[in-house]
Amino acid sequence: NAGVMQNPRHLVRRRGQEARLRCSPMKGHSHVYWYRQLPEEGLKFMVYLQKENIIDESGMPKERFSAEFPKEGPSILRIQQVVRGDSAAYFCASSPPVGDEQFFGPGTRLTVL
Amino acid sequence: GENVEQHPSTLSVQEGDSAVIKCTYSDSASNYFPWYKQELGKRPQLIIDIRSNVGEKKDQRIAVTLNKTAKHFSLHITETQPEDSAVYFCAAGRNQFYFGTGTSLTVIP
Repeated sequence: NAGVMQNPRHLVRRRGQEARLRCSPMKGHSHVYWYRQLPEEGLKFMVYLQKENIIDESGMPKERFSAEFPKEGPSILRIQQVVRGDSAAYFCASSPPVGDEQFFGPGTRLTVL
Repeated sequence: GENVEQHPSTLSVQEGDSAVIKCTYSDSASNYFPWYKQELGKRPQLIIDIRSNVGEKKDQRIAVTLNKTAKHFSLHITETQPEDSAVYFCAAGRNQFYFGTGTSLTVIP
C-alpha cells in the first residue's frame, strides 16, 4: 500500500523556466493538498483539490501558480516563469473521502538558479 | 482565515524529562488539530491528533490537550528520548490546515 508519491524529488530550474510538480495520492484518497515550506519555516497552505475540482486556492499566489487534479493521473502544481523566491520544498498531502487525517508525500525540493 | 501561533520556537530538554509545546488558534470553526513531527529533510509525519469534541488524548508517551474556550492546544511528550529530537508542528482547521511555525526540539542524552 504505497503512500503519497511525489516526483521529482529534486528539481532545478533557471529563472523564467516552468516547474511542474506531481503528486499521486494514497490509494483510495480523493483529496489533495499542496503546501510550501521555506527553509526553516512552517508549512504554508496553498491549495486544496478534489478530482477535477479546486475546492480552496486561497493560499495560492495569484500569478504564475496553478494546480489541477484531473480525473486520471496525478495532481500537478505548475509554476510558470520561476523566480529565486520560489525555491522551497513543496509538499503534497492526501486524505480519504471521509476523515480528516492528511498524509504527506516526501516533497519536491525546487531550486531556482 | 485561521491564524495558528506556536511556542516555543526552540526547546532543549534532558533525556527523560518532559517537553511541552503550546499552540493557539483564532478561528472557532476549526474542529481538527493534528500534530506532525518532521525530521531534517523528511516529510511531516502525523503523530497524534484531537478533534473538537475531545479535551484530551493520549498515545503512550505523547498526549494532546485542547481547550476550545480559550482556543489553545498543547502537545506533551513524557520520558523524552534522543530520537524525539525533530521539529514539531501543530495545525488547526476544518478542511485545510493552517500550521504553526514549528518547534525545534532537542533531547540531550
